[in-house]
Amino acid sequence: DAMVIQNPRYQVTQFGKPVTLSCSQTLNHNVMYWYQQKSSQAPKLLFHYYDKDFNNEADTPDNFQSRRPNTSFCFLDIRSPGLGDAAMYLCATSRATGGREQFFGPGTRLTVL
Amino acid sequence: AQTVTQSQPEMSVQEAETVTLSCTYDTSESDYYLFWYKQPPSRQMILVIRQEAYKQQNATENRFSVNFQKAAKSFSLKISDSQLGDAAMYFCAYRMLPGNQFYFGTGTSLTVIP
Repeated sequence: DAMVIQNPRYQVTQFGKPVTLSCSQTLNHNVMYWYQQKSSQAPKLLFHYYDKDFNNEADTPDNFQSRRPNTSFCFLDIRSPGLGDAAMYLCATSRATGGREQFFGPGTRLTVL
Repeated sequence: AQTVTQSQPEMSVQEAETVTLSCTYDTSESDYYLFWYKQPPSRQMILVIRQEAYKQQNATENRFSVNFQKAAKSFSLKISDSQLGDAAMYFCAYRMLPGNQFYFGTGTSLTVIP
């Protein structure tokens, strides 16, 4: 089945130690998104890619970076995680045309010690 | 700026009964999509229903239906014959066209009482 896959599902890191979260998709969607979601809150968009065109949200901290080496993969790099970065990170995809809805991965739960 | 408002942080419903979740949005655009997403506890966010703004007919998916009032900028979700598996956080979302950004409401936590 076509889907959005996130690895790992759970990630523990230490304060200040860089971490990379991975997302892959088999849907061949040209738009990929990274969201941060804290407990019982709405997902907060960090950035998105339309093909290779990177779109950063104005309030996304510089500590968060992203890479999209090809259509299928997208990475979220947190350069120096702080305690406030502990959250669920959701990857989503959509087509720029057609169905228009987003498809979400299961998320990566990040713990910062 | 586009905003999406869900004024009910929590709702509860008896099993087999009907419940309506509210959503309003603010936009000056005429072409857009609206969505309801469901996020069960510790589980994946999934699409419940989608409404295209240019369609006057309200979308329906089995027990889920919407009441789309474009002039009032209102988009409510009705869940009929509620089941225990409907317990989740429900998010209303808006997508302007053209464009790739989605705007989410703050969510409504739905409890289903056996």
